Amino acid sequence: GDSVTQTEGQVTVSESKSLIINCTYSATSIAYPNLFWYVRYPGEGLQLLLKVITAGQKGSSRGFEATYNKETTSFHLQKASVQESDSAVYYCALSANSGTYQRFGTGTKLQVVP
Amino acid sequence: NAGVIQTPRHKVTGKGQEATLWCEPISGHSAVFWYRQTIVQGLEFLTYFRNQAPIDDSGMPKERFSAQMPNQSHSTLKIQSTQPQDSAVYLCASSFGTNTEVFFGKGTRLTVV
Repeated sequence: GDSVTQTEGQVTVSESKSLIINCTYSATSIAYPNLFWYVRYPGEGLQLLLKVITAGQKGSSRGFEATYNKETTSFHLQKASVQESDSAVYYCALSANSGTYQRFGTGTKLQVVP
Repeated sequence: NAGVIQTPRHKVTGKGQEATLWCEPISGHSAVFWYRQTIVQGLEFLTYFRNQAPIDDSGMPKERFSAQMPNQSHSTLKIQSTQPQDSAVYLCASSFGTNTEVFFGKGTRLTVV
């Protein structure tokens, strides 16, 4: 079936350093699923950070970027310079086609330290 | 727009008791989802409705879990004979469709003691 894999459960990065959170996907029901990154800030609900629906394209929001790579089936989240306010839990997700639910990875907790 | 509203935010039940969780989706959204969030499993799909009709409940533990959507403004998730392993944060979400952005509530933290 369709699935999303996030290998890091927690990542600690120093403020102003670069970040990459890994996400790979497997889609058996459709060639090119829609891909999403969601974020949950402390005390808040899960919310969409960015999405990309076309293979090869890049999405960006709040300084974060993710490129839909169909060759490596990856959708890694990157940021050039993190801030303490970026500390949150990040979830990668895919949507295979209409009529099915979004599948989420296990989440990566980002801690940005001074 | 108040977003997806879930009540209660926290619930503590004794082992074997029943727990009912409530969700009010965003007005106009046709799809309503329930997920369970645990440290081990991450976001685990339970069930979803489209236009109030149950579409997929493949993630639901069949024996003790049930979900309903009696009208377009609310959905309930009922857990009978709760067990300690049911302890988790239960998230309700809604969207215009299944292939678009999903809007989540803040969740109900269920603790079974």
